[in-house]
Amino acid sequence: DSGVTQTPKHLITATGQRVTLRCSPRSGDLSVYWYQQSLDQGLQFLIQYYNGEERAKGNILERFSAQQFPDLHSELNLSSLELGDSALYFCASSVAGREQYFGPGTRLTVT
Amino acid sequence: EDQVTQSPEALRLQEGESSSLNCSYTVSGLRGLFWYRQDPGKGPEFLFTLYSAGEEKEKERLKATLTKKESFLHITAPKPEDSATYLCAVPLDTSYKLIFGSGTRLLVRP
Repeated sequence: DSGVTQTPKHLITATGQRVTLRCSPRSGDLSVYWYQQSLDQGLQFLIQYYNGEERAKGNILERFSAQQFPDLHSELNLSSLELGDSALYFCASSVAGREQYFGPGTRLTVT
Repeated sequence: EDQVTQSPEALRLQEGESSSLNCSYTVSGLRGLFWYRQDPGKGPEFLFTLYSAGEEKEKERLKATLTKKESFLHITAPKPEDSATYLCAVPLDTSYKLIFGSGTRLLVRP
């Protein structure tokens, strides 16, 4: 158990819908990273927050957004969902500049 | 272009048959190299961090080494429970966002 929690474990939704994925980092970790893992793309960095502020962005679609709250949990919002958004979504947390610990992931299926 | 390449893509071993996995990288200013293990449908599990050429880390049957251009994950006398995908990753910049290799799928047969 990494200490990072993610909910829900599974999500099945229809195209065009909006979903919210939630992540709670390890106690004491200020950085939260979001990654997408699909079969054809591998693990891809989406976005990072540090202590409530956006720190870095990857190739995140404009339909996707995220935020980190004062209690340090983070949410990833995915809207106008397409079939190609089906993937595993992981969050990871770390002390700045150190190894990242990953949560169990949310499996998103868009039908 | 910053890149991480892992080989082989897949590796089948008999129990007890030692081998090595390779991770080559091209990044400007290495800020560390990370090894992870991932079981199907699970989140990557942190194994090792290596920071400088010549550094080595060990954990049970696994040993990771680092040179200026690549890292190796040596598996000694593997067991079936070592079957998993092994990922390496490097941070791209001071945000420490990670770029991952595509992984090596290891299958250890009893």
